[in-house]
Order: sequence, then structure tokens, then C-alpha cells
Amino acid sequence: KQEVTQIPAALSVPEGENLVLNCSFTDSAIYNLQWFRQDPGKGLTSLLLIQSSQREQTSGRLNASLDKSSGRSTLYIAASQPGDSATYLCAALNAGNMLTFGGGTRLMVKP
Amino acid sequence: DAGITQSPRHKVTETGTPVTLRCHQTENHRYMYWYRQDPGHGLRLIHYSYGVKDTDKGEVSDGYSVSRSKTEDFLLTLESATSSQTSVYFCAISPPLNTDTQYFGPGTRLTVL
Repeated sequence: KQEVTQIPAALSVPEGENLVLNCSFTDSAIYNLQWFRQDPGKGLTSLLLIQSSQREQTSGRLNASLDKSSGRSTLYIAASQPGDSATYLCAALNAGNMLTFGGGTRLMVKP
Repeated sequence: DAGITQSPRHKVTETGTPVTLRCHQTENHRYMYWYRQDPGHGLRLIHYSYGVKDTDKGEVSDGYSVSRSKTEDFLLTLESATSSQTSVYFCAISPPLNTDTQYFGPGTRLTVL
């Protein structure tokens, strides 16, 4: 059974700082690894999707990497802004179209 | 915007009562999912559907049933609600040309007293 873990559970940084969010998974037989953003009281918004054959994906100030052999993915946020404050969730897609989510990292970017 | 709506958005009910949550999509996608989100557990899959009358169980299906009589609607029913089913419930869909990803609805906050 796939298990996905995110560390830290919460993170507070000053505006402008570069930061890294971590995601680890136990079953390396994944089809892809996805990162989502969730604002308080809202649904999930897809940020980045890395296919199992890829090493990284970039979108603006966000860069996500994937190392299947070590069971890890990282989300790098450059020059953080207060508007980046949200909960970030990673999820691994396995056979049967099953998405397994981590518990999330709650990010606060202070002005 | 994947055209997903959920109703109701908030509900308070009592233990032992039946509850039905509705997910409606406007894009005619085949794949639909129900998740629950609880502190410390992330999102966990309850049930999913590959098409009309084609459903299967997820990780935490006990105490829940689903129905899909039309492509656009996926219903989640708690036959006899319990306090452990207090949660936020999310519906999701996968577009046909990109079933590797999912788009989520706004969620329903359910409180069982």
C-alpha cells in the first residue's frame, strides 16, 4: 500500500525567501507525482505533475523534482510571496488511477 | 474551471440519519471520485466511478455507498451517519484525454453531532 509523507507539516518564512517542501513515498511504482495547492476552505488546485519518466517540472517560480529510486519529490518555491501562503499537498498516482495524498505542508509567508 | 459543483456546501446532521452529498459536473467526464479530508490524514479515496453504473471502492469505503445513474452526477450516501464521518468531502473528476490528473470541486463540510 502506498504511503505518502510530507515534512514539515507547517512552515513559516519571511517574504522573499526561497523554500523547499518535501514529499516522500514508499512505493516507487508510480505513474506520476502531483503537487496541489489548497487555500483555506477551498478545493485543490493542481500546480505541477511530474510523469514517472521525468526528473522535474517547472511553472513560473515553482519547480518540482522527482527521484523515484529514493522515493522523494521536492517542491521549490523561489522568492516567496504572501500570496503563496496555503497548504501544499503532494500525491502519488499508482495503478488503477489511485491517487494517494500526503498530509500536506501548511505554508505561511510573512510580509 | 472543471465545472464541478458540490451540494450542499455545508451540512450539520445527527448521528443515525441518512445523508446524501451530490457532485455535479458539466463536462461529461467519465471518471469521478469521492474523497474525505481529515486533519493529519490528507485526502483519502472513498469511492470512484468509471462511468454510469460503474463504481468501485476506495481506501475508506466502509459506511459509504455511491450511485451514478447519469454521467453528470455522482452521489455519495452515508446510510446512517456517525460522528467519525464528520469531515470535508471532495469530489474530483479526470478529463478523458488526461486521466492522470484530477480536478477538484469546492468541497462539502459535514458535521455529524
